Amino acid sequence: QLQLQESGPGLVKPSETLSLTCTVSGGSISSSSYYWGWIRQPPGKGLEWIGSIYYSGSTYYNPSLKSRVTISVDTSKNQFSLKLSSVTAADTAVYYCARRTLVGALDAFDIWGQGTMVTVSS
Amino acid sequence: DIQMTQSPSSLSASVGDRVTITCQASQDISNYLNWYQQKPGKAPKLLIYDASNLETGVPSRFSGSGSGTDFTFTISSLQPEDIATYYCQQYDNLPPVTFGGGTKVEIK
Repeated sequence: QLQLQESGPGLVKPSETLSLTCTVSGGSISSSSYYWGWIRQPPGKGLEWIGSIYYSGSTYYNPSLKSRVTISVDTSKNQFSLKLSSVTAADTAVYYCARRTLVGALDAFDIWGQGTMVTVSS
Repeated sequence: DIQMTQSPSSLSASVGDRVTITCQASQDISNYLNWYQQKPGKAPKLLIYDASNLETGVPSRFSGSGSGTDFTFTISSLQPEDIATYYCQQYDNLPPVTFGGGTKVEIK
């Protein structure tokens, strides 16, 4: 079945750029029924949606993060990536990648990666 | 942005109890609401979509209802494996997708 796996550095210095990749296995990222997204969760806190991308490259971002976020897709590698610039300690969180399925009445994040902890510290 | 207010933020109940969580949207979102379960150290899991539809494979003791601005999530008979934090999420008027603050469910 479809699986998502996040990868990237677990420690990023303040003011630098956080970069993560999500690898999709067991299925194609190039499907008209899905968007691919990033969601984060600071320690002990709730979930915050960062942004999503379609396989064609069309993106939409959380307005609160839009100036610092870039999400891209590489269909040849079945991967999509997150870049978050000018990070601060407030960006310390578990970062999840997830599939958003739009089929019939279903419009939800139905498959998630296991998450990766990213700490911003010097 | 549409704000999602969940209550209570935590609750303690006995095995077999009926548990109810509410989620209120800051504006009408029709039935564009999902519910997720997150166990400690794990990713969220989709339980209910479109306010009242049970995701495939999810036990029938979980249910959802509501439309407009007021929504309810119910566990009809709480089981030990239901210990988790539950989140509502709206998908009307994107972006952004927004989540409620979460409800932590514990066993009394």
